[in-house]
Amino acid sequence: NAGVTQTPKFQVLKTGQSMTLQCAQDMNHNSMYWYRQDPGMGLRLIYYSASEGTTDKGEVPNGYNVSRLNKREFSLRLESAAPSQTSVYFCASSLPAGNYEQYFGPGTRLTVT
Amino acid sequence: TQLLEQSPQFLSIQEGENLTVYCNSSSVFSSLQWYRQEPGEGPVLLVTVVTGGEVKKLKRLTFQFGDARKDSSLHITAAQTGDTGLYLCAGGKGSARQLTFGSGTQLTVLP
Repeated sequence: NAGVTQTPKFQVLKTGQSMTLQCAQDMNHNSMYWYRQDPGMGLRLIYYSASEGTTDKGEVPNGYNVSRLNKREFSLRLESAAPSQTSVYFCASSLPAGNYEQYFGPGTRLTVT
Repeated sequence: TQLLEQSPQFLSIQEGENLTVYCNSSSVFSSLQWYRQEPGEGPVLLVTVVTGGEVKKLKRLTFQFGDARKDSSLHITAAQTGDTGLYLCAGGKGSARQLTFGSGTQLTVLP
């Protein structure tokens, strides 16, 4: 099992460009999440999907959109990238029951110039 | 917004020393987790505590959940260079199954 995979690993965008970050999990988890990590600020939730067909905003959703394509895949789209979106992005997944344990992908380092 | 405050933010110690990292909140959590993150990688779950007063041990690491389920600590005995990393606490609460993360403690263990 690969666990949670993310593509790409690195990306450089110019202000105003768009891109989609891909995430897939093979653990048959129902819930999936997108976070951003900035120095000194821990992980902040952008969007999450409690189950296939549903998505909800997290703490910092502005400038992002998501798609839960199927149970395995959850993508994050930046329609018009801004320098403030320079960050490391992590996808995670979890079971619907249990003690809120989440399993993370390796991250995408995004730089917007 | 729920807040989890971790202290210290940075910690640099010599190999063989002991250390404690704290995670505090004014909110009650259903569970609290500790993750370790190494450069260029995602966080990896170390432990979950769910009962007030619970203590769990993972080799040289001891985790404790506060009696009121608002705070937690991570104690490392005889630190090794392999313990170097970013330690994150996260509290779970609510039916949406979201986690609230602390800002992290960057631990450096020097040889």
